[in-house]
Amino acid sequence: QVQLKETGPDLVQLTQTLSITCTVSGFSLTTYNVHWVRQPPGKGLEWMGAMWNGGGTDYNSAFKSRLSISRDTSKSQVFLKMNSLQTDDTAKYFCARHPPYYYYSSYILFDYWGQGVMVTVSS
Amino acid sequence: ETVMTQSPTSMSTSIGERVTLNCKASQSVGINVDWYQQTPGQSPKLLIYGASNRHTGVPDRFTGSGFGRDFTLTISNVEAEDLAVYYCLQYGSIPYTFGAGTKLELK
Repeated sequence: QVQLKETGPDLVQLTQTLSITCTVSGFSLTTYNVHWVRQPPGKGLEWMGAMWNGGGTDYNSAFKSRLSISRDTSKSQVFLKMNSLQTDDTAKYFCARHPPYYYYSSYILFDYWGQGVMVTVSS
Repeated sequence: ETVMTQSPTSMSTSIGERVTLNCKASQSVGINVDWYQQTPGQSPKLLIYGASNRHTGVPDRFTGSGFGRDFTLTISNVEAEDLAVYYCLQYGSIPYTFGAGTKLELK
């Protein structure tokens, strides 16, 4: 069955780098796209970026150049790396699956989500 | 960036009622809008994509509509399991952006 699971640190020090891995099963990263979304405690959702099935990426400019998304298709893993962490980066980080265009035309939709990983940035 | 403004921020309802949640885009996004439902401690769940298409397995009491800048999610015959926060998402342009959410509570 389809699963996405985020793994990463619970705590990251201020100004340090965050690394989170999204390990997927039940589908191929060369067919499906994977997006990253985060949610600060008690707040709403924020789209961070996408790893497209062809290997390209798109990012939310709000993260400027401190965000990087990559993948290892042989391990079915997508990676999020963000540097220069601040306290307002404290959030639950989710990865979510987006089917290819031939399933839902050009619509973008997140049909499966991981459980998320809660990351606290500490000073 | 396209800002998605959801209204109301929260609303109280009774079981069996019909409620309408709104989402307004700062610029036209066509029909490139999804709706997600999130209950406490859970990941968001897709309800509606492409403004009006109900995702597989979503009960038909959930209906999405809209085009351009104005979108609505209507829940008919609200059930207890529908008490949650609802988010709209636009993907007309990058960055994709979510609304701040509408919390549906029991009256």
